[in-house]
Amino acid sequence: KAGVTQTPRYLIKTRGQQVTLSCSPISGHRSVSWYQQTPGQGLQFLFEYFSETQRNKGNFPGRFSGRQFSNSRSEMNVSTLELGDSALYLCASSLTEKEQYFGPGTRLTVT
Amino acid sequence: AQTVTQSQPEMSVQEAETVTLSCTYDTSESNYYLFWYKQPPSRQMILVIRQEAYKQQNATENRFSVNFQKAAKSFSLKISDSQLGDTAMYFCAFMKLTGTASKLTFGTGTRLQVTL
Repeated sequence: KAGVTQTPRYLIKTRGQQVTLSCSPISGHRSVSWYQQTPGQGLQFLFEYFSETQRNKGNFPGRFSGRQFSNSRSEMNVSTLELGDSALYLCASSLTEKEQYFGPGTRLTVT
Repeated sequence: AQTVTQSQPEMSVQEAETVTLSCTYDTSESNYYLFWYKQPPSRQMILVIRQEAYKQQNATENRFSVNFQKAAKSFSLKISDSQLGDTAMYFCAFMKLTGTASKLTFGTGTRLQVTL
C-alpha cells in the first residue's frame, strides 16, 4: 500500500496570505490527524477528521481550519499567516487508535 | 490534560552498544496507549513501538523494547545493538483510549546520535 502523502512538500508564503495543505491517507484509513511541529513548541495536535467530520480539535486559533472529503483526503487551511506559523505540518492517518502513520510533512515558511 | 516528559534532550551511544531513553507521563486516565516514534533527518515520523496500558507485559520489537512502569508512569525505550541508522530524534507519545478520536500528546524528544 502507498503511504501517507502530503503536498506540497515545501511552501514559502508571505505574512497575511493564506495557505492550503493537502494530505492523502493510506487507502482504507478514514481518520486523518494534523500536527504542527516547531522548534519552540514541539509537536502539537491541530485536529482530527473521521468520515468528513471533525472529531477532535487542539488549542489553535480559528485561523487554522480543515476539512475532509468523501475519499478521506484532507486539507488544512491557515488564513492570515503569521511568522509564527512557520513550521513542519505533519499529517497522520489511522485505521484504528493503535497506530498512526505519518506523512513526510509540509515545510511552511512564512516571510 | 496529559503531559509527557522526556528529560534527556540529547544522548550518544556507540555502535553495537545499548542505550535507554527515558519518558515519564502524567495522566488520570486508566486506559491509554504509549508510543515511541522515531524522526530521522528526513523528518518522516516512524512508529517504533507501542504499549497498551492494560498489558503488563513489556512490548518488544526486534532490537527495541520498553520498560513500562504504570504505577510510576514511566515508559523507557531500550535500543539494543545500536546501529548508525538509529540516529534520529525519538519522541515518546501518549494517547487516551476513547474508542473514537485519535490525539497524540508528544514529549519534547531526545536526539540520539549513534557513533562508530
